[in-house]
Amino acid sequence: ETGVTQTPRHLVMGMTNKKSLKCEQHLGHNAMYWYKQSAKKPLELMFVYSLEERVENNSVPSRFSPECPNSSHLFLHLHTLQPEDSALYLCASSQEVGNEQFFGPGTRLTVL
Amino acid sequence: LAKTTQPISMDSYEGQEVNITCSHNNIATNDYITWYQQFPSQGPRFIIQGYKTKVTNEVASLFIPADRKSSTLSLPRVSLSDTAVYYCLVGDIFNRDDKIIFGKGTRLHILP
Repeated sequence: ETGVTQTPRHLVMGMTNKKSLKCEQHLGHNAMYWYKQSAKKPLELMFVYSLEERVENNSVPSRFSPECPNSSHLFLHLHTLQPEDSALYLCASSQEVGNEQFFGPGTRLTVL
Repeated sequence: LAKTTQPISMDSYEGQEVNITCSHNNIATNDYITWYQQFPSQGPRFIIQGYKTKVTNEVASLFIPADRKSSTLSLPRVSLSDTAVYYCLVGDIFNRDDKIIFGKGTRLHILP
C-alpha cells in the first residue's frame, strides 16, 4: 500500500474521446505530480501542484488538462489525444515540492 | 539544476554486491542526492537520500565523497528481484522552485 491510488489502472480510448485520470493520496502531502512514461523512455514530469496551486507546467500540450480540487486529489483530463500519447501515466505526492515522492501504480493508457 | 550521468545498464549475479555510480559534477551547495528504484509498469520507489559521506538503511548504502561530484549506490547481496531501473536525482529538496528531474537511469539485470 503506497498511499497513492490511481484509477483507472488501464484505459483504452479513441482519439475523439474525453476521459479523465484520477489520483488520490492518503498521506497528508501538500504536493502532487503527474508524470508520463513512454516505452523505454525516462519519466517526463508534466505538472506539479503545491497546495492546489500549479507550480510547474512542462510545455505539455493543451489536450492534457490537470485539475487539483484539493491537496488529496489530482485529475488529468484528456481530450482529442494522439496515438503517441499512449504511455504509463504516473501520479506522485510528496510532503512538499522536492521532498521524497511516493508514486501510485499508474494508469496504462492506449490511444487508438 | 545539476545534471546526472549514470551507466545505461549493468549486469550482476545473485548474492553479489552491486555498486552503481552517478556523476554530478555541477552539484550545488544545497543539493541532495536521491536514488529511486523502478520495476516494469510500476511507479518509482524511494530508496535512499544523502548529502555527504555515507548513509545506510535497510535496503542500501549511499557513499558520497568529500567533493560530492559523484555518488555510489551500493546494494548488498542482490537477488533476482533487484532487477530494475535505478535513478539518481540531484536537487535542492527544500526549494520548491528547483526541478528535480528523473534521467534515463541504470537498468540493472541480476542473473541467477
